[in-house]
Amino acid sequence: NAGVTQTPKFRILKIGQSMTLQCTQDMNHNYMYWYRQDPGMGLKLIYYSVGAGITDKGEVPNGYNVSRSTTEDFPLRLELAAPSQTSVYFCASSYSLQLKDNEQFFGPGTRLTVL
Amino acid sequence: DQQVKQNSPSLSVQEGRISILNCDYTNSMFDYFLWYKKYPAEGPTFLISISSIKDKNEDGRFTVFLNKSAKHLSLHIVPSQPGDSAVYFCAAIPDRGSTLGRLYFGRGTQLTVWP
Repeated sequence: NAGVTQTPKFRILKIGQSMTLQCTQDMNHNYMYWYRQDPGMGLKLIYYSVGAGITDKGEVPNGYNVSRSTTEDFPLRLELAAPSQTSVYFCASSYSLQLKDNEQFFGPGTRLTVL
Repeated sequence: DQQVKQNSPSLSVQEGRISILNCDYTNSMFDYFLWYKKYPAEGPTFLISISSIKDKNEDGRFTVFLNKSAKHLSLHIVPSQPGDSAVYFCAAIPDRGSTLGRLYFGRGTQLTVWP
């Protein structure tokens, strides 16, 4: 099992550009999440999905969009990149939303810089 | 508003000694708590968890203590090893409402274990 994989590892964008951060998991998890981690801060939830075709906003969804067409993939789209979106982005997945089964498995992250 | 707080950004401990990492929370709906460990350039990995119906959970060198009345938990690592040097995140899950299953993270504590 590769677990949760993310591409790219690094990216530099100019203000106003768009990009898609890719996330794939091979554990057949229904639940997937996107977080961002700003320097010196904890992870904040951007969007999450409870299954293919179902997504919902987290704490900080503004400026992002997601889709979930398959169980495996959960891409995150930035339409008009802004310097405030400079961050490290982590994708995660979990088997369940039930408390005891909610261990989330994280990808290695994408470091995004917007200049 | 930070609902999970880790007030010590860093902790330095000698190898073989005990490391104690602290975490406070403000949301009384939190019912399940997790600790994640993060090495540089990697995603967080699950370490240990505790349900609010318990006050202690042990796994090898790692023990988590929960004081629900004080809204405080701590992670003890005994004995500390250089390989434990990482950022440790405290996270919490609320039991009720539409946010069921979502993780709320603290800012993390950088633990350095020196020989």
